[in-house]
Amino acid sequence: KAGVTQTPRYLIKTRGQQVTLSCSPISGHRSVSWYQQTPGQGLQFLFEYFSETQRNKGNFPGRFSGRQFSNSRSEMNVSTLELGDSALYLCASSEGLRAQYFGPGTRLTVL
Amino acid sequence: AQKITQTQPGMFVQEKEAVTLDCTYDTSDQSYGLFWYKQPSSGEMIFLIYQGSYDEQNATEGRYSLNFQKARKSANLVISASQLGDSAMYFCAMRGGTGTASKLTFGTGTRLQVTL
Repeated sequence: KAGVTQTPRYLIKTRGQQVTLSCSPISGHRSVSWYQQTPGQGLQFLFEYFSETQRNKGNFPGRFSGRQFSNSRSEMNVSTLELGDSALYLCASSEGLRAQYFGPGTRLTVL
Repeated sequence: AQKITQTQPGMFVQEKEAVTLDCTYDTSDQSYGLFWYKQPSSGEMIFLIYQGSYDEQNATEGRYSLNFQKARKSANLVISASQLGDSAMYFCAMRGGTGTASKLTFGTGTRLQVTL
């Protein structure tokens, strides 16, 4: 099976812009979770989608949103970008409780 | 709330030696799971091993084993016969029970350096 894929791998944006990141889970996995990784805050949970519904949400402002499509692919959107949004954004997919498999990440730089 | 503590910011180990990476956790859930991930400099998080709170045996996956001590709330990762390719950041993480099972809480990580 192919692993989790994320596009794009790298992004450079300026403050105030918005960005959309994409994640394709492992075939058959219905749960997709998003995490933000920064040197200062470490790895933090953003949200999780299961069967097109947001099932869990972390403590992030409303500028961070997501959605999941019927084929389980997920997108994450960040509006009105701030410098502090510069991070590695990781997507993970799972089909049960015993493993979450991560993609290679999207490295976002906000200038 | 769940919390993961990794007290070793960095560790060195010689090639072919075994190394233990420490992880302690705190949760009020009765059902939970513990994970270890490896993150090379490329950034991808590689799943290594999982231990459920009700699993009777300590988890093992090849050269990786998890030393689970429930009463002490510790879940240390043991890597046997270290290889140069094991040099990376290692993260301990946990999931909660029903309702938060999909949310992983991560520790701050341990950077492992394998030397010749």
